[in-house]
Amino acid sequence: SQKIEQNSEALNIQEGKTATLTCNYTNYSPAYLQWYRQDPGRGPVFLLLIRENEKEKRKERLKVTFDTTLKQSLFHITASQPADSATYLCALDLSGGGADGLTFGKGTHLIIQP
Amino acid sequence: GAVVSQHPSWVICKSGTSVKIECRSLDFQATTMFWYRQFPKQSLMLMATSNEGSKATYEQGVEKDKFLINHASLTLSTLTVTSAHPEDSSFYICSARGWSGAGYEQYFGPGTRLTVT
Repeated sequence: SQKIEQNSEALNIQEGKTATLTCNYTNYSPAYLQWYRQDPGRGPVFLLLIRENEKEKRKERLKVTFDTTLKQSLFHITASQPADSATYLCALDLSGGGADGLTFGKGTHLIIQP
Repeated sequence: GAVVSQHPSWVICKSGTSVKIECRSLDFQATTMFWYRQFPKQSLMLMATSNEGSKATYEQGVEKDKFLINHASLTLSTLTVTSAHPEDSSFYICSARGWSGAGYEQYFGPGTRLTVT
């Protein structure tokens, strides 16, 4: 069966450390993989997109890797801050270009402790 | 940047009534909009794809007669929950497909919290 798994429901990280979130998927072949941030009671906010032919993408303190052989993406936040505390969602774009809807994981609740 | 709004942000209705939720792309035109539903501590689940000027495409298990979608213009899509029941209580989120300059992306609205009593 098809599924997307994100590591643990909650991840506690000390401020200043690097937070690493995992997204594993089974029986999908996404053209793109995206990461979103969602705060309580709010819609998702786009962070990064990585294509199937890309290994790594960076944006400021964020880094995403994509391994299509392992069917895994890692999302890193360096020099983490309490303001980074939120739920982070992994989403698969199966067709590429957003022509179809996205398939989301349940998310990882990240808590950055001062 | 591309902004998507939803109205209302929250609504409480009685069982058996209908509720309409609006999704607007404020500064871009979107030929395609999507509707998602999210239950507490669950992932966003795609309900339907809405294309301007044509009928919506519903995901398996989503009742099209219960969740009416209209995409009458390039900036507005509406979702009407008909004869709502308590199990329809959820967080409804829309997104609009727009050109980012580097490719197409989905831009999400802030969501609408529906509570059916």
